[in-house]
Amino acid sequence: KAGVTQTPRYLIKTRGQQVTLSCSPISGHRSVSWYQQTPGQGLQFLFEYFSETQRNKGNFPGRFSGRQFSNSRSEMNVSTLELGDSALYLCASSFSPEVKTQYFGPGTRLLVL
Amino acid sequence: GENVEQHPSTLSVQEGDSAVIKCTYSDSASNYFPWYKQELGKGPQLIIDIRSNVGEKKDQRIAVTLNKTAKHFSLHITETQPEDSAVYFCAALNQAGTALIFGKGTTLSVSS
Repeated sequence: KAGVTQTPRYLIKTRGQQVTLSCSPISGHRSVSWYQQTPGQGLQFLFEYFSETQRNKGNFPGRFSGRQFSNSRSEMNVSTLELGDSALYLCASSFSPEVKTQYFGPGTRLLVL
Repeated sequence: GENVEQHPSTLSVQEGDSAVIKCTYSDSASNYFPWYKQELGKGPQLIIDIRSNVGEKKDQRIAVTLNKTAKHFSLHITETQPEDSAVYFCAALNQAGTALIFGKGTTLSVSS
């Protein structure tokens, strides 16, 4: 069974731009969570989607948003990029929100200049 | 707020030795505790997890122990190998059961 896939793997943007990252969960998994990983803050929860609905949200500004499609694929968007948004963005999938076993993708490394 | 502390931040062992990483959590309602291994350039890989109704779980050279009273859990790796070198993260499910709270990570180096 294929794992979680994320595209693109690397991105370079400039301040003020926006970016969209994509995640395809493991086949059969319907819950997708997004995390931001930085050297200073570590792994921090952004939000979780299930059945095309955001179920939970972490403590991030409204510039961070996401959505989920009917095939469970998910996208996250960051608008008005700031230097501090440079990070590894990780997507994790699980069978459902009740099943907390999460499997991570390889991440998208975003560099904001 | 909810917090997971992880120690040590770095750990160096000789091949064949055992390695122990410890985590403490703040929320007594947490009931799920996974451990992840992250290699350079890769996403975290789930290596073992434990739920609050179990005190210990083993999978070959890896074991996790949980002490709910003390609110701490530990990862034990026996007979370490160079390929065990990576960053290890512990996590605990938050009180609402909606998100994992991660420790800051332990960089394990196994020298041959």
